[in-house]
Amino acid sequence: DAKTTQPNSMESNEEEPVHLPCNHSTISGTDYIHWYRQLPSQGPEYVIHGLTSNVNNRMASLAIAEDRKSSTLILHRATLRDAAVYYCILRAPGTSYGKLTFGQGTILTVHP
Amino acid sequence: DAMVIQNPRYQVTQFGKPVTLSCSQTLNHNVMYWYQQKSSQAPKLLFHYYDKDFNNEADTPDNFQSRRPNTSFCFLDIRSPGLGDAAMYLCATSITGHYQPQHFGDGTRLSIL
Repeated sequence: DAKTTQPNSMESNEEEPVHLPCNHSTISGTDYIHWYRQLPSQGPEYVIHGLTSNVNNRMASLAIAEDRKSSTLILHRATLRDAAVYYCILRAPGTSYGKLTFGQGTILTVHP
Repeated sequence: DAMVIQNPRYQVTQFGKPVTLSCSQTLNHNVMYWYQQKSSQAPKLLFHYYDKDFNNEADTPDNFQSRRPNTSFCFLDIRSPGLGDAAMYLCATSITGHYQPQHFGDGTRLSIL
């Protein structure tokens, strides 16, 4: 499986935008880029996913580089509730169930 | 709200004493997963059910078993828990497709005495 690289930790202030980077230089043409987050004492939560084009939903935006070797999860206005571990995961086709292989993720701290 | 429910949230068992963790879902998803998450580590897939078909990960110890009696319920059985099995156990569901999101429960934290 293609691997992702994320910074171990990042910090932000409340109500400021946050850009969480992810490198995936060995991504294949059919791999989807998924983001999950895990709040303290909870299970992971799906955030967003994309293939080639930038994507927006109510939680976040996903910006995908033109060569697809990197992507950035954008939280437009961070809140204290956004403090979590954020995982960038590549999901390959070829299996009917789509295994999630978690890396170590980025610990996001949000300051009041 | 439709969701994935894991019971209990906290489970304590003795070394070597069998334990069962349960998961139920109201999403009517055909795929169910069990992940293990040890302290300060990322979740790791143990196995999954695609409908009634059981799929074990290659490195999942034989000590871990699973049952899925119907679409809504799935159980994780640990036959002889060791100290190294202390972890958070996460259940997740999805519909078929590698781009489909997985929906997680809040996990059961298992302690071994």
